[in-house]
Amino acid sequence: NAGVTQTPKFQVLKTGQSMTLQCAQDMNHNSMYWYRQDPGMGLRLIYYSASEGTTDKGEVPNGYNVSRLNKREFSLRLESAAPSQTSVYFCASSEEGYEQFFGPGTRLTVL
Amino acid sequence: GDSVTQMEGPVTLSEEAFLTINCTYTATGYPSLFWYVQYPGEGLQLLLKATKADDKGSNKGFEATYRKETTSFHLEKGSVQVSDSAVYFCALKDTGRRALTFGSGTRLQVQP
Repeated sequence: NAGVTQTPKFQVLKTGQSMTLQCAQDMNHNSMYWYRQDPGMGLRLIYYSASEGTTDKGEVPNGYNVSRLNKREFSLRLESAAPSQTSVYFCASSEEGYEQFFGPGTRLTVL
Repeated sequence: GDSVTQMEGPVTLSEEAFLTINCTYTATGYPSLFWYVQYPGEGLQLLLKATKADDKGSNKGFEATYRKETTSFHLEKGSVQVSDSAVYFCALKDTGRRALTFGSGTRLQVQP
């Protein structure tokens, strides 16, 4: 039982490049989330998915797209990376009304 | 909207000292409250939670009481250890909301 896994752990991009962050959970949770963590700002919600096939914008969705591929997987895509997207990205999952479980994070630097 | 305010860090304590990290919140509904801990290089782990007023959450010697009258959920531990050094996040989940609202985090450094 691995919980929530994320790949890659580290990534460096140049401005304008694209990439996809992968997330998978093996707890059979319906809800999945993408957050970004910036110094002094806590975690802010980018997108979430309440169930397979549904996604909704969070607090800071601009510049990102998501795909809920199936119940296990929820990916985050940066189509044209910008330096402002340098951050640590966390994926989480939960059952409705219960605690969220977090992955280990992806540290992204955009030059 | 919802918000969570935590005390600024870093908090530096000697081993066996008493810890308090303040957390206050604003919410439109009847939120559940959480403390998460993040150890260096890792993701967030749930430390404790409380789902209604006057509930006390506790885990690993840490405690926090849901105070509706003061809209607070302060984290306390009677005797900290070096291994408690981490960043602590207060968070809430309001009724009807799917995601958590986090505070900015408080870094705790415990010196031997």
